[in-house]
Amino acid sequence: AQSVTQLGSHVSVSEGALVLLRCNYSSSVPPYLFWYVQYPNQGLQLLLKYTSAATLVKGINGFEAEFKKSETSFHLTKPSAHMSDAAEYFCAVSDPHTDKLIFGTGTRLQVFP
Amino acid sequence: NAGVMQNPRHLVRRRGQEARLRCSPMKGHSHVYWYRQLPEEGLKFMVYLQKENIIDESGMPKERFSAEFPKEGPSILRIQQVVRGDSAAYFCASSPAGRPGANVLTFGAGSRLTVL
Repeated sequence: AQSVTQLGSHVSVSEGALVLLRCNYSSSVPPYLFWYVQYPNQGLQLLLKYTSAATLVKGINGFEAEFKKSETSFHLTKPSAHMSDAAEYFCAVSDPHTDKLIFGTGTRLQVFP
Repeated sequence: NAGVMQNPRHLVRRRGQEARLRCSPMKGHSHVYWYRQLPEEGLKFMVYLQKENIIDESGMPKERFSAEFPKEGPSILRIQQVVRGDSAAYFCASSPAGRPGANVLTFGAGSRLTVL
């Protein structure tokens, strides 16, 4: 069965600092992995996805994630945080037979000036 | 090209009433998923439907909850005899047919149910 674990329910960084949000997955088959962002009182917006092509995936708003099979990880990074990055971030793995997503519990990112 | 449309955006019900949440998928999408987000929690899968078929309802509570996606019209998530614990944001997502697992789910803005 597929699952994801997000370490750290809250992450705080200063504006301009590196953002690192951790995600580890468990999957019995090569996984498809996703990062979504949720701004307050809004739906989820896709940041990026990994579907077995390049292991380093670039997304929107300067975010990227690297698929590391040996570590079963798919951590999300951004070199320099911006105030507008403050939001909740969800890592997800998809069921290989449908598009059903299994989400992690989310990480709330706070950015301080 | 409208995205996933959910209505109502906000719904207030008293205990024991019924709540109906509607979702129109993106144009060209034939698969609909419903998720529930409780306060300070992640998203929990509830049900996956295709037109006129429930494919996976493993996340649906056994009682009071039902979902449908008729041949014509939106998908509907129905909660009967609501209780305070049903207060949550309910998100609908849709995806196209083909390449299962690799498609991106497009989410609606959610319906926020408050039970008094």
